[in-house]
Amino acid sequence: DTGVSQDPRHKITKRGQNVTFRCDPISEHNRLYWYRQTLGQGPEFLTYFQNEAQLEKSRLLSDRFSAERPKGSFSTLEIQRTEQGDSAMYLCASSFQLSLTDTQYFGPGTRLTVL
Amino acid sequence: AQTVTQSQPEMSVQEAETVTLSCTYDTSESDYYLFWYKQPPSRQMILVIRQEAYKQQNATENRFSVNFQKAAKSFSLKISDSQLGDAAMYFCAYRSEVDYGGATNKLIFGTGTLLAVQP
Repeated sequence: DTGVSQDPRHKITKRGQNVTFRCDPISEHNRLYWYRQTLGQGPEFLTYFQNEAQLEKSRLLSDRFSAERPKGSFSTLEIQRTEQGDSAMYLCASSFQLSLTDTQYFGPGTRLTVL
Repeated sequence: AQTVTQSQPEMSVQEAETVTLSCTYDTSESDYYLFWYKQPPSRQMILVIRQEAYKQQNATENRFSVNFQKAAKSFSLKISDSQLGDAAMYFCAYRSEVDYGGATNKLIFGTGTLLAVQP
């Protein structure tokens, strides 16, 4: 069990550029979640996949944000035309639906800075 | 909608002492899960302890225990014999039990309590 991994760990970009983040869940986990965490706040839910299906999206996820999980394994989160307000830590978590409590385990996050 | 409130932005404890972090939540649901996660500086969030709402017995994990008061909607975390490695941001989180295709599986977090441990 190698845990949830995220790449890159840090990303600095200029306003207006597109960025893409990757999340690799724990291997047997079929559920995958994206959260956003700004400084001094708790994580806020963005979206959630069960296998390859995207089952829920937060209103926080504007049209500039898109997430995919094409084969039910890794996931990508893309932000188009980045804005300074997108600067945050983007956290990925995974869980196993058939476990007793379906507990979510988090990755190290990708810290995005938009200049 | 469910909400989670952590009213202590910062707490401090002496090494080897005991500290209690507070969390209250609001929900109309009867079945749910509550969690405490720990986020050390620049490190990833890890699960400390979880509590199923249907269980009356308070959860315990080594030096960590909770005081779950369902009627009062209170879920505090007690850390005994505090260690320097306990210094971190602690988040309380809520998750619904009902699973309609996983649509309610999201965690709802409080704003966190920053715990400092003094040597």
